Amino acid sequence: EAQVTQNPRYLITVTGKKLTVTCSQNMNHEYMSWYRQDPGLGLRQIYYSMNVEVTDKGDVPEGYKVSRKEKRNFPLILESPSPNQTSLYFCASSLSLSRQGALFSPLHFGNGTRLTVT
Amino acid sequence: AQKVTQAQTEISVVEKEDVTLDCVYETRDTTYYLFWYKQPPSGELVFLIRRNSFDEQNEISGRYSWNFQKSTSSFNFTITASQVVDSAVYFCALSEATQGAQKLVFGQGTRLTINP
Repeated sequence: EAQVTQNPRYLITVTGKKLTVTCSQNMNHEYMSWYRQDPGLGLRQIYYSMNVEVTDKGDVPEGYKVSRKEKRNFPLILESPSPNQTSLYFCASSLSLSRQGALFSPLHFGNGTRLTVT
Repeated sequence: AQKVTQAQTEISVVEKEDVTLDCVYETRDTTYYLFWYKQPPSGELVFLIRRNSFDEQNEISGRYSWNFQKSTSSFNFTITASQVVDSAVYFCALSEATQGAQKLVFGQGTRLTINP
């Protein structure tokens, strides 16, 4: 089954304790991205990756790191989590871009990770 | 400036009523793509439709229909004869190539509640 898999689904941690949220897709997609969802703000992009070893900042990258060592995996790393990073996080992947560089294909989302930082 | 605006934060209707969710977008690109996603109470994001900027034909899929109007920069979503299972948060999103940013820009979402 084609899917994007995120783990864990729920995570409660304390301020400053490093954590990693894993993301893996089995669709051979080149494009992957992380979003956070907050009430009243919709989804905002944190980081994205066009291919292996290529990553770029999104709209809200502060406090986050990513890596893309393999095509299928795109982990999100919080080196020193803070309470304002409490949120619902989504990993997504997509097949292709349009010729003009706009995201053309629909994003396939993981089931989300609800993170609470106390 | 907000690029995608869903002015309706919450909508509540009785089952079998028709309901329209509004989406207004802003872009300077001539080529762009518009999407609708559904987020049911279980939390996952489900793709509903994509429309490109050169195709203004309205689309109907069962009880769902979409009205794309470039003149008013709107991409509205109508559910006919709503059902309780339609209760969800619905997001409108825009993809454009401005400054090479490859992303979907989402609206704030509209929480739709269908009451039995």
